[in-house]
Amino acid sequence: AQSVTQLGSHVSVSEGALVLLRCNYSSSVPPYLFWYVQYPNQGLQLLLKYTSAATLVKGINGFEAEFKKSETSFHLTKPSAHMSDAAEYFCAVSDANAGGTSYGKLTFGQGTILTVHP
Amino acid sequence: NAGVTQTPKFRILKIGQSMTLQCTQDMNHNYMYWYRQDPGMGLKLIYYSVGAGITDKGEVPNGYNVSRSTTEDFPLRLELAAPSQTSVYFCASSYSGGYGYTFGSGTRLTVV
Repeated sequence: AQSVTQLGSHVSVSEGALVLLRCNYSSSVPPYLFWYVQYPNQGLQLLLKYTSAATLVKGINGFEAEFKKSETSFHLTKPSAHMSDAAEYFCAVSDANAGGTSYGKLTFGQGTILTVHP
Repeated sequence: NAGVTQTPKFRILKIGQSMTLQCTQDMNHNYMYWYRQDPGMGLKLIYYSVGAGITDKGEVPNGYNVSRSTTEDFPLRLELAAPSQTSVYFCASSYSGGYGYTFGSGTRLTVV
């Protein structure tokens, strides 16, 4: 069974500081991995995805994530936080994998709330 | 270009009542999903569908039912509502298994 663990339910940074949100996954096959962002009272929006191509994935709003197979990690980073980045972030692993049958079912982590201070 | 539309946005139900959460998408996606979101728990898959007429259970299907008569629509039925079904419900669709989801804006349901 697949699983995702997000380390830290709350992360607080100052505006302009590095953002690092941690995600570790468990999967029996090379996974497809996703990061989503949720602003208050809204649905989730796709930030970026890893689907077995380049290990460093760039997404929207200046975010990027690096797939590290040896560490089973897919941490999300942004060099300089902006006030508008304050939101909840979810890491997810798919039952899809390269060359396999998939129903696109996602297993989500518990979420990390990012607070950005002026 | 509406994407995924969910109705209603808010609903209060009494214990034992039933209701249908509506979800429709205009992107011609074959894959559709229902998740529930509870604080600190992430999202849990209730049901999913890979095409019209094809549905299957997810991780937490008890107390729910679905149908998929068209590509566009994927309603979620709650029978005999219970307080444990108080949650925010999200519908999502996807082009295929390896693609990301497009989410609806959610339905906040309270059962009292």
